[in-house]
Amino acid sequence: TQLLEQSPQFLSIQEGENLTVYCNSSSVFSSLQWYRQEPGEGPVLLVTVVTGGEVKKLKRLTFQFGDARKDSSLHITAAQPGDTGLYLCAGASSGGSNYKLTFGKGTLLTVNP
Amino acid sequence: GAVVSQHPSRVICKSGTSVKIECRSLDFQATTMFWYRQFPKQSLMLMATSNEGSKATYEQGVEKDKFLINHASLTLSTLTVTSAHPEDSSFYICSARDGQQLNEKLFFGSGTQLSVL
Repeated sequence: TQLLEQSPQFLSIQEGENLTVYCNSSSVFSSLQWYRQEPGEGPVLLVTVVTGGEVKKLKRLTFQFGDARKDSSLHITAAQPGDTGLYLCAGASSGGSNYKLTFGKGTLLTVNP
Repeated sequence: GAVVSQHPSRVICKSGTSVKIECRSLDFQATTMFWYRQFPKQSLMLMATSNEGSKATYEQGVEKDKFLINHASLTLSTLTVTSAHPEDSSFYICSARDGQQLNEKLFFGSGTQLSVL
């Protein structure tokens, strides 16, 4: 069973602060995806990282995929109250009809004004 | 962009009744759909994977007779919670994979909040 350890589980910060969320596994994934979810809604895909060492930026969000494709991080610069939500990393393992997406436990981020 | 429609968004039912949740891909053919369960402030737990025209594959610990999954067409999968009990109350989310795309992108429904009284 592939497991994704995501940390921290809860994070409460003040507006303007920076933060980093980590996603680690002992397994290799073909890609790793980051989602943001608001209460009562489905997850919304933020980014997919595929290549080991890859770095992607989405405005104030920076995503990194580890060289060995086992871990990833999400860094938010100058957090805003609108960034509040549940952040989920998910590792994809593919094999034709055996495609599977394994989610980490999530990081509940609260950005206080 | 691709859209997955999940219905209903919220359902309240009495203990012992069955509830059906629908998941439709609106503009693509979903050869594979996934059903997840999520408790408050927790992550998504994969319940089962359904492939069009074949039996669903259930994750360990998920009762297949309790959670009936049907994927009869390339655009529709249904999850039926049979003889629902209060412990089945949860947020259920479906996702679908575009069978004509080689990427690993999934599209998620907006979820169904099930409350069993």
